[in-house]
Amino acid sequence: GDSVTQMEGPVTLSEEAFLTINCTYTATGYPSLFWYVQYPGEGLQLLLKATKADDKGSNKGFEATYRKETTSFHLEKGSVQVSDSAVYFCALRGYSSASKIIFGSGTRLSIRP
Amino acid sequence: AAGVIQSPRHLIKEKRETATLKCYPIPRHDTVYWYQQGPGQDPQFLISFYEKMQSDKGSIPDRFSAQQFSDYHSELNMSSLELGDSALYFCASSPVGTGGTEAFFGQGTRLTVV
Repeated sequence: GDSVTQMEGPVTLSEEAFLTINCTYTATGYPSLFWYVQYPGEGLQLLLKATKADDKGSNKGFEATYRKETTSFHLEKGSVQVSDSAVYFCALRGYSSASKIIFGSGTRLSIRP
Repeated sequence: AAGVIQSPRHLIKEKRETATLKCYPIPRHDTVYWYQQGPGQDPQFLISFYEKMQSDKGSIPDRFSAQQFSDYHSELNMSSLELGDSALYFCASSPVGTGGTEAFFGQGTRLTVV
């Protein structure tokens, strides 16, 4: 079945450091790929998405590119802030109607001032 | 913009009691999903509904049941609660007939079983 594998955490960085969180997937067909973020005590918020190969999703300085050849969707940010501290989930959804979203295990990111 | 509404936000129950969680999807969204997230865990898919019919089933215990009503809201019914059912329960919805797009999540219901 479809699955998502992402970099284990926790990840601790200093403010203004470069961030990469790796994510790879296994899926049949052409899924859509997402990064969701969960701040402490809150729900899941969509951070960015890409629906086809070579698409780049971006939001709030975060970027991820849908790489079909490597089945990857790595999350990057050039300069992280303390406010970026959260848990990040890579996820996919198949193309058929009502396909469920499948999540990776999540990566906890902590940014120190 | 309207979001997915879940109620209650917090719920405390004793073992062997029952609980009902409610979810109100974004207007014109026809698909509802339920997920369970244990402490430090990723969200686990429980069940989904498309046009008021069950469309997929995941790791939902037999003690749980769910349905989607004519107004598209959904309820998750949990009986014979166990300590291990303590978790954050998310509902999500997605728009009409658009596979591959994102699902929008509610704030969740935090269930504590004591």
